[in-house]
Amino acid sequence: DSGVTQTPKHLITATGQRVTLRCSPRSGDLSVYWYQQSLDQGLQFLIQYYNGEERAKGNILERFSAQQFPDLHSELNLSSLELGDSALYFCASSRDSSPLHFGNGTRLTVT
Amino acid sequence: SQQGEEDPQALSIQEGENATMNCSYKTSINNLQWYRQNSGRGLVHLILIRSNEREKHSGRLRVTLDTSKKSSSLLITASRAADTASYFCATVPSRQGGKLIFGQGTELSVKP
Repeated sequence: DSGVTQTPKHLITATGQRVTLRCSPRSGDLSVYWYQQSLDQGLQFLIQYYNGEERAKGNILERFSAQQFPDLHSELNLSSLELGDSALYFCASSRDSSPLHFGNGTRLTVT
Repeated sequence: SQQGEEDPQALSIQEGENATMNCSYKTSINNLQWYRQNSGRGLVHLILIRSNEREKHSGRLRVTLDTSKKSSSLLITASRAADTASYFCATVPSRQGGKLIFGQGTELSVKP
C-alpha cells in the first residue's frame, strides 16, 4: 500500500460530460502529481502541485484543470470529455525530490 | 513528449534467467529512476540513481548509468515469475524542477 488514495476506482461517463478525480497524498507529502496513461500515449505527465501551488505543467489539455487544497488533497477536473480521454489517471505524491508514490489510479471510460 | 525510451519493448524469459532492460534519454538529468507496474496497478518505485553515480544495487536489481551516452540499464538477476510486470525508467530533467518524465516501458514476462 503506497498510502496514496484515489477515488473513484472506475468512472464511466458520456462524451461532453465533466468529471472530478480525487487524490489524497501520502501523509506528510507536499507534492502531488497527475499522470495520464493510455495505450497509445504511454504515461504522460499532466501537472504537479506543491503545497497548494502549481509547480510544473506538462501535456495537460485546456479542458483539464487541477488544484491542491489546504489539506493537500488534490482534484483533477476533466470537462467536455472526448472518447480519446479514456485512460488510467494516476496521482502520485512525494516529499521534495524523493521518489514518487503512486495511487492505484482511476480508470476513466468515455462512451 | 517522452524523455526516456526503453529497449526492448517486450522481453520474455524463463525463471532463473537474468533480465536486462535499457533506457535512453535526451536531455541532461538530475537523476534517473526505475519503476515497476503490475497490470492495471499504480507504479512502484524500485531504485534511484543520481547523475554523479555510475552503478547502484538493490537486492536482485542492478542499475547502471552512463551520462555520456545518456543511457541506463536495469538488470534483474535470477528472475522469478512474480517479476512479471512493466518496467519504466523516468528522468528528472535538469532545470525542470521535480517533473518526472517516463519512458514507454518494457513489458517483462517471466515464465515458470
